[in-house]
Amino acid sequence: AQTVTQSQPEMSVQEAETVTLSCTYDTSESDYYLFWYKQPPSRQMILVIRQEAYKQQNATENRFSVNFQKAAKSFSLKISDSQLGDAAMYFCAYIQGAQKLVFGQGTRLTINP
Amino acid sequence: DTGVSQDPRHKITKRGQNVTFRCDPISEHNRLYWYRQTLGQGPEFLTYFQNEAQLEKSRLLSDRFSAERPKGSFSTLEIQRTEQGDSAMYLCASSSRDTALHEQYFGPGTRLTVT
Repeated sequence: AQTVTQSQPEMSVQEAETVTLSCTYDTSESDYYLFWYKQPPSRQMILVIRQEAYKQQNATENRFSVNFQKAAKSFSLKISDSQLGDAAMYFCAYIQGAQKLVFGQGTRLTINP
Repeated sequence: DTGVSQDPRHKITKRGQNVTFRCDPISEHNRLYWYRQTLGQGPEFLTYFQNEAQLEKSRLLSDRFSAERPKGSFSTLEIQRTEQGDSAMYLCASSSRDTALHEQYFGPGTRLTVT
């Protein structure tokens, strides 16, 4: 079974600084997708960034980028120029086919002004 | 596009009572998912519909849980004889088969408290 592990329960960063959230996963599949979702306090989950496993190029969305290491099964999220609005729970997730998302345990990100 | 909506947003019930939640997906999304999220944890998959067909159910979905999507549009999740362990946030998500990237859009969730 596929598993997703986020080893950092909590992270904090100074506003305007850069922070990296870690994620590892386990799968025997070669074709899959990886996501980072953001869940602000008492608000719904929204997609931050996605990565197709067949693409070697790391995905980038404005201040958010990933470091995808397929052989190592690692998928970290880098947030540049952190803003107060980035404070949230961040979940790494895996999907293979049109099936269920498998989520990690989450990392709570705090932004210090 | 009004997004995924869920009703109610909060539900407090006594142990042993039945509860039903509703999810309205994004229009024309043919796939609908239910997840359960306990405090401080990531969401866990419960069940998945493609149109009106329920294609997969998690082992988390005991026989007290039932989900339907009768016309391939909205879905309901019913919990019978609720237990305190059922207290959680129940999330609904939808996606379209036309989206090759398999992105799922989430609703705001229904927070269930069983007293």
